[in-house]
Amino acid sequence: ELKVEQNPLFLSMQEGKNYTIYCNYSTTSDRLYWYRQDPGKSLESLFVLLSNGAVKQEGRLMASLDTKARLSTLHITAAVHDLSATYFCAVDSSNNDMRFGAGTRLTVKP
Amino acid sequence: GAVVSQHPSWVICKSGTSVKIECRSLDFQATTMFWYRQFPKQSLMLMATSNEGSKATYEQGVEKDKFLINHASLTLSTLTVTSAHPEDSSFYICSARDGGRGFLGEQYFGPGTRLTVT
Repeated sequence: ELKVEQNPLFLSMQEGKNYTIYCNYSTTSDRLYWYRQDPGKSLESLFVLLSNGAVKQEGRLMASLDTKARLSTLHITAAVHDLSATYFCAVDSSNNDMRFGAGTRLTVKP
Repeated sequence: GAVVSQHPSWVICKSGTSVKIECRSLDFQATTMFWYRQFPKQSLMLMATSNEGSKATYEQGVEKDKFLINHASLTLSTLTVTSAHPEDSSFYICSARDGGRGFLGEQYFGPGTRLTVT
């Protein structure tokens, strides 16, 4: 069974600092996703990573994928308060469904 | 981009009653839709996979007689919580996979339905 692990689960950062969230998964998968969720809201798609070595950047967020290591990272550069949210990684399983990590609750403090 | 809607966005019901939640893909055909449940401060847990015209596939531990899923058309899936109890209170999120791109189609998430059972 596909398992997806994220760490850290909680992250408190100062504005302007950099940090990385890690996502490991247990079996081969075609696709990895990163989502953002604000309190009381549904998921907002951030990145879809399709191949080994894929790197995508949007603003202060950059995601990468290493399919050999079954590892994806979400790097935050010069954090700002607006980035405070919960971030989930998710992986497509062989059953055509999606499995989620536990989420990383990010708080950016001034 | 692809849009998935859910209705209602929130509902309060009394214990023992049934509640129906609708999930619609507005601008694409979704051969597969998924239903997730999310408890406060937890991740999304897949409840079932719904394929158009066939019976839903439920995850282990999810009662199929309690959570009735119908996927009658390529744009609509419904989840009915039967005889709801307070422990069913949760945030229910659906997603739809773009059938036009087959297995490679991305999943698009609805805005969620917050169910409170009193």
